[in-house]
Amino acid sequence: DIQMTQSPPSLSASLGDKVTITCQASQNINKYIAWYQQKPGKAPRLLIRYTSTLESGTPSRFSGSGSGRDYSFSISNVESEDIASYYCLQYVNLPYTFGAGTKLELK
Amino acid sequence: EVQLQESGPGLVKPSQSLSLTCSVTGYSITSNYWGWIRKFPGNKMEWMGYISYSGSTSYNPSLKSRISITRDTSKNQFFLQLNSVTTEDTATYYCARWRVPWDYWGQGVMVTVSS
Repeated sequence: DIQMTQSPPSLSASLGDKVTITCQASQNINKYIAWYQQKPGKAPRLLIRYTSTLESGTPSRFSGSGSGRDYSFSISNVESEDIASYYCLQYVNLPYTFGAGTKLELK
Repeated sequence: EVQLQESGPGLVKPSQSLSLTCSVTGYSITSNYWGWIRKFPGNKMEWMGYISYSGSTSYNPSLKSRISITRDTSKNQFFLQLNSVTTEDTATYYCARWRVPWDYWGQGVMVTVSS
């Protein structure tokens, strides 16, 4: 199985900050990484697929980049509605595997 | 709009089977792939398996022979059965549509395994 090492586990930010989350795969995943947002009691929401392709409705302050084993996800100008947990997912190989998640909190 | 809704018992006894239903509206399950994903206490997420538009299945090897995913196309529903559950299977279970990757998800149903 491909292991996805996501960091940091938690993040504290002020409104307007830029934050970055990283995921490192245990092998090359050829950009087949997605990023999800999840709020308590809600379904995960797909924000970005294939490293950097924003889903319809995803605000442009969200972005993704990377290649090979190393990927990052950023939120520029954090807004209050961005307070949530974020997960990466690799989908190059079965079994699909997730990162451990990052909880974004307000400072 | 595509909507998915999980249903099933919230409490299952150890060694018994866990059975969940995912009801889909706004899209036919005879298109795309449909799967189950669970989130453990502590927030680790695990892909469990999927059923394709044709009815073929694929499962996470970690679940070995305990898992079965089936469907009823006449009701636009698909199902999860997990046998011989233990307390380690306590989690929130989600159903989702695969459209490279999982795009629409249900709200999830929390299942506790306890005697």
